[in-house]
Amino acid sequence: QQPVQSPQAVILREGEDAVINCSSSKALYSVHWYRQKHGEAPVFLMILLKGGEQKGHEKISASFNEKKQQSSLYLTASQLSYSGTYFCGTVSGSARQLTFGSGTQLTVLP
Amino acid sequence: DSGVTQTPKHLITATGQRVTLRCSPRSGDLSVYWYQQSLDQGLQFLIHYYNGEERAKGNILERFSAQQFPDLHSELNLSSLELGDSALYFCASSVLLGTDTQYFGPGTRLTVL
Repeated sequence: QQPVQSPQAVILREGEDAVINCSSSKALYSVHWYRQKHGEAPVFLMILLKGGEQKGHEKISASFNEKKQQSSLYLTASQLSYSGTYFCGTVSGSARQLTFGSGTQLTVLP
Repeated sequence: DSGVTQTPKHLITATGQRVTLRCSPRSGDLSVYWYQQSLDQGLQFLIHYYNGEERAKGNILERFSAQQFPDLHSELNLSSLELGDSALYFCASSVLLGTDTQYFGPGTRLTVL
């Protein structure tokens, strides 16, 4: 089942902060975050594993609430280059396959 | 550059035709995944191969098939193409199985006229 992302879209000014949320109805093994610019390949940002291990990327951080099956991606002091669509992917169940949410379109204006 | 290569970059064909998309994973990666992304839509998982064997199927149509060869490259075959098959097709690879970080290739943009 596809994870649910919110908000669907967000517009902010350069230097502002943003939070993107991802939630699942299933018990999660891991959460993966990607950023995709229009017409390009998704680029891996971060993986959060059950048990708390986390790998970060630049000024972007994330949290993983295992009890609530939720993850949040935090972008601080946004830069123009942060614009794009952010996808969360979740791994759950015995199949251990990555299922992507529908994406959050982030636009950073000067 | 993720290290995953896909060819061709663009493909324009007609309805009813058959095409083959090719993917070479990163060096050392054993898993290959195929995704379809229609215009401004999310990433739809199609199929996963691990070391030559099919491991999982997603929303893949019966007109579509894939295989992974001994050298670990993979091909996605799309037949009896319809207008709705126009999309970006991405290949991704990972070291082992679905829990690993997946690295995406640049994609093949398929246009069916």
